[in-house]
Amino acid sequence: EAGVTQSPTHLIKTRGQQATLRCSPISGHTSVYWYQQALGLGLQFLLWYDEGEERNRGNFPPRFSGRQFPNYSSELNVNALELEDSALYLCASSTGTSGSADEQFFGPGTRLTVL
Amino acid sequence: AQTVTQSQPEMSVQEAETVTLSCTYDTSESDYYLFWYKQPPSRQMILVIRQEAYKQQNATENRFSVNFQKAAKSFSLKISDSQLGDAAMYFCAYNSPTDSWGKLQFGAGTQVVVTP
Repeated sequence: EAGVTQSPTHLIKTRGQQATLRCSPISGHTSVYWYQQALGLGLQFLLWYDEGEERNRGNFPPRFSGRQFPNYSSELNVNALELEDSALYLCASSTGTSGSADEQFFGPGTRLTVL
Repeated sequence: AQTVTQSQPEMSVQEAETVTLSCTYDTSESDYYLFWYKQPPSRQMILVIRQEAYKQQNATENRFSVNFQKAAKSFSLKISDSQLGDAAMYFCAYNSPTDSWGKLQFGAGTQVVVTP
């Protein structure tokens, strides 16, 4: 069974640009979660999508946005990039059947570097 | 806001020995779930063990077991018979259907170093 996949592996942008990160969940999973792992800040929850709808959002500015497609894959967009957006962005998926009890399966992450 | 605290930035253990990682959390909810995730150098997060708050029995997965003290809001992880492959960052995490719906809240992590 294929795991959660993310692309690209690495992404280098300059300040002010936009970044798009992609995630494909495990087959059969309808929920996708995004987390930011920045140095010194730990793992912070960004967004949760389920069945195409945004279900919950972390404490991030509106320039962090995303969407979930009919095939349950997801995109995270970061507009007007700032230096502090440099981080590892992790995507996770779950079956979405048991809510908070669901195991979240993580992808390998996208390393975003903002210069 | 709910917080998860891991007070040990790093723990060192010899192969075949046992190490215990501490985690405390703060919540006013009665229905919640606690997790331990492992993040090796590859950065791939892997679930180690899960505990439902309503279950008094401590969860166990092979060499990994937890000591869940609900009243004390403590959730420690014990790794028995440590192996070189156990070397990783370990994160404690909390989730609740009533106040953090879908959102895993992580502690700062504990780096486990395994020496031969």
